[in-house]
Amino acid sequence: AQSVTQLGSHVSVSEGALVLLRCNYSSSVPPYLFWYVQYPNQGLQLLLKYTTGATLVKGINGFEAEFKKSETSFHLTKPSAHMSDAAEYFCAVSENTGNQFYFGTGTSLTVIP
Amino acid sequence: DSGVTQTPKHLITATGQRVTLRCSPRSGDLSVYWYQQSLDQGLQFLIQYYNGEERAKGNILERFSAQQFPDLHSELNLSSLELGDSALYFCASSPGLSSSYNEQFFGPGTRLTVL
Repeated sequence: AQSVTQLGSHVSVSEGALVLLRCNYSSSVPPYLFWYVQYPNQGLQLLLKYTTGATLVKGINGFEAEFKKSETSFHLTKPSAHMSDAAEYFCAVSENTGNQFYFGTGTSLTVIP
Repeated sequence: DSGVTQTPKHLITATGQRVTLRCSPRSGDLSVYWYQQSLDQGLQFLIQYYNGEERAKGNILERFSAQQFPDLHSELNLSSLELGDSALYFCASSPGLSSSYNEQFFGPGTRLTVL
């Protein structure tokens, strides 16, 4: 069975500071990993995904994530937070042969001016 | 704009009632997924349809049902509504059968309030 754990339901950073949102997964098969962002009153939007190949994945809006198999992690980072980054972020895992996404409980990011 | 549309945006109803939520996938997408997002449960996968057929089931209650029509739009039917069914219901679509490789494109959601 697959699952996703997002450590920290709320994260606050100052504008210009490093953003680090943590995601750990469990999967019995090689996973596909995703980060989605949800802005207030909107649906989810894909930030980035890891399927195969390079373990450092770059996404939109300056975000990137690194797949670390040994740590079963897929943490999301951004070097410098912007006010517009304030949103809910969801990590998701899927099997490479499956149809289901398993989402974490989400991390709400607040950016302090 | 993801290209996925959902109607209505908001729905307020009473316990015991039945409602239908509608989703139109992106043009060309054959798979439709339904999710429930509530404060206490997070984002839960309910069900997937591919080209009119049910393909995967998640944590969907027996009071809930869905279908996908020949024009590929989908409807989620919720019956005998309870207060706990109040949530945001998302529809997502993807091109193929397996969503694992392809991203899912999410609609803006339908906010259901059961009073």
